[in-house]
Amino acid sequence: DAGITQSPRHKVTETGTPVTLRCHQTENHRYMYWYRQDPGHGLRLIHYSYGVKDTDKGEVSDGYSVSRSKTEDFLLTLESATSSQTSVYFCAISGGTGGNQPQHFGDGTRLSIL
Amino acid sequence: GIQVEQSPPDLILQEGANSTLRCNFSDSVNNLQWFHQNPWGQLINLFYIPSGTKQNGRLSATTVATERYSLLYISSSQTTDSGVYFCAGRGYNNNDMRFGAGTRLTVKP
Repeated sequence: DAGITQSPRHKVTETGTPVTLRCHQTENHRYMYWYRQDPGHGLRLIHYSYGVKDTDKGEVSDGYSVSRSKTEDFLLTLESATSSQTSVYFCAISGGTGGNQPQHFGDGTRLSIL
Repeated sequence: GIQVEQSPPDLILQEGANSTLRCNFSDSVNNLQWFHQNPWGQLINLFYIPSGTKQNGRLSATTVATERYSLLYISSSQTTDSGVYFCAGRGYNNNDMRFGAGTRLTVKP
């Protein structure tokens, strides 16, 4: 199994509070991704990173920011959480240079915003 | 980004039966994967298959890139095959991996 650790695994918080989710990898892969999974939508890409300090937006990036200061860590931040951001969040990694390698997923973080 | 359609949305099988799941893409893809999401929510890689045919035990997959579809075959299904199967692809002009809505498979003993 790919060495991907997401933390926390579960979190409950209130509307308006900041939330940061962490993805840590031990594979030294260049690409890291954050997805959210909601019923009826499959997985949707929020942001991705193609190297340290190199990030770009995905399909549903509004309300989220990311940072990658080290190869192994990719952080997802909700500056002011809203109930619509209640979801299961998955981190993924992939190797290679062009993003055309298989993505491997962490076990997810279940986030509830009340 | 590309659109991904999976069929059927739901499938109920008796243990031992065979099945075929389909994934259609709105445009050509250069990265295509099949995943199984188990009842605990984990996403398990099944195949990385932008083209051609691959087999892994009772599972096999075929992608016909020129016709923009991929098929996942499950033979002699077992109750542990239950869960949701997703396909995902990335178009040549995008960096997004787009997922289908999934096929929910239930295998009954």
